[in-house]
Amino acid sequence: GEEVAQTPKHLVRGEGQKAKLYCAPIKGHSYVFWYQQVLKNEFKFLISFQNENVFDETGMPKERFSAKCLPNSPCSLEIQATKLEDSAVYFCASSQSTYGYTFGSGTRLTVV
Amino acid sequence: LAKTTQPISMDSYEGQEVNITCSHNNIATNDYITWYQQFPSQGPRFIIQGYKTKVTNEVASLFIPADRKSSTLSLPRVSLSDTAVYYCLVGASTGGFKTIFGAGTRLFVKA
Repeated sequence: GEEVAQTPKHLVRGEGQKAKLYCAPIKGHSYVFWYQQVLKNEFKFLISFQNENVFDETGMPKERFSAKCLPNSPCSLEIQATKLEDSAVYFCASSQSTYGYTFGSGTRLTVV
Repeated sequence: LAKTTQPISMDSYEGQEVNITCSHNNIATNDYITWYQQFPSQGPRFIIQGYKTKVTNEVASLFIPADRKSSTLSLPRVSLSDTAVYYCLVGASTGGFKTIFGAGTRLFVKA
């Protein structure tokens, strides 16, 4: 289909628990991106993939965040030992050509 | 990466033309300028992209002066449904290169 599918829509975790988010990019798109949106509309780039290979991971807090894009599976973003400041909406986007990204609807993570 | 500066918010009335200007003084030679629209509880949606001069599509126009240090998104005859946050981004147009989002401009269209 022509949409980026993100699951779940909402996720609530206690501090210290693990959170795993999923993203199915548009078929045929080679690039996948993860962004974190916190208060006041601020977006933070986390990581990008070219197919199953990490392209740019300069935004990832590596000690607790990890991500994968494996063939024939949704991409995933995993947060080990969540903290309160991880509460945000996490957006996945995919891209193929010169015309920008297509974003999913996001996963709202609430850490309590 | 080029940083962008936009007005925090703008108000308009239905039927008016709205122009949102974005400053990007440090734009690089290879960078494109892209605008996205975001509604509450949704992901950003691509509106328009350009490199220089003027680009027009069915929803908007993008004006880029010769020095490319700024750009203006023009929305003709806005309606209530155009109330959203508009983001100006500067970066590579292809590949997995990260693109930096600014704070966005919250446009509120009144009846």
